[in-house]
Amino acid sequence: KAGVTQTPRYLIKTRGQQVTLSCSPISGHRSVSWYQQTPGQGLQFLFEYFSETQRNKGNFPGRFSGRQFSNSRSEMNVSTLELGDSALYLCASRSEDRFGSPLHFGNGTRLTVT
Amino acid sequence: GESVGLHLPTLSVQEGDNSIINCAYSNSASDYFIWYKQESGKGPQFIIDIRSNMDKRQGQRVTVLLNKTVKHLSLQIAATQPGDSAVYFCAEIGDSGYALNFGKGTSLLVTP
Repeated sequence: KAGVTQTPRYLIKTRGQQVTLSCSPISGHRSVSWYQQTPGQGLQFLFEYFSETQRNKGNFPGRFSGRQFSNSRSEMNVSTLELGDSALYLCASRSEDRFGSPLHFGNGTRLTVT
Repeated sequence: GESVGLHLPTLSVQEGDNSIINCAYSNSASDYFIWYKQESGKGPQFIIDIRSNMDKRQGQRVTVLLNKTVKHLSLQIAATQPGDSAVYFCAEIGDSGYALNFGKGTSLLVTP
């Protein structure tokens, strides 16, 4: 099976712009999660989608949003970018079990805000 | 390479030795734990998981030990190889049951 695929791999944006990141989960996986990774804060949970519904959301401002499509592919959007949004954004998928099912991560999108 | 943590604890071991990476978790109600390995420029890679009804689980060259009394998790890597050099994260299921809470990570450096 192909792994989790994230596009683009790298992005450079300026403050105030908005950005959309894309994620294709492992085939058959219906749950997609997004995480932000920074040197200072480590890996932090953004949100999780299952069957096009957001089931859980982390402690991030409303500028961070996401959605999931009927084919389980997901996008996340960050509006009005700030310098502090520079990070590695990781998408992960898993089978629909709530417990006992590890997340499988993509290689991330490296976002740099200047 | 990319830095995933400016002040990560670092463990340096010689090739062929066994490695032990420790992790303290915070959620006493968590019943599922995972270890991930992250190499430079890549996303976290699943290594091994364990449920709270177990205290030990073995994989290929890896063993995870869970001590719920002191909320401690460890990852043992047997016969460590240069390819094992990476940052290792433990993770626990958060209160919601959907999100993972990650530790800060430990950088493992394997020297020849």
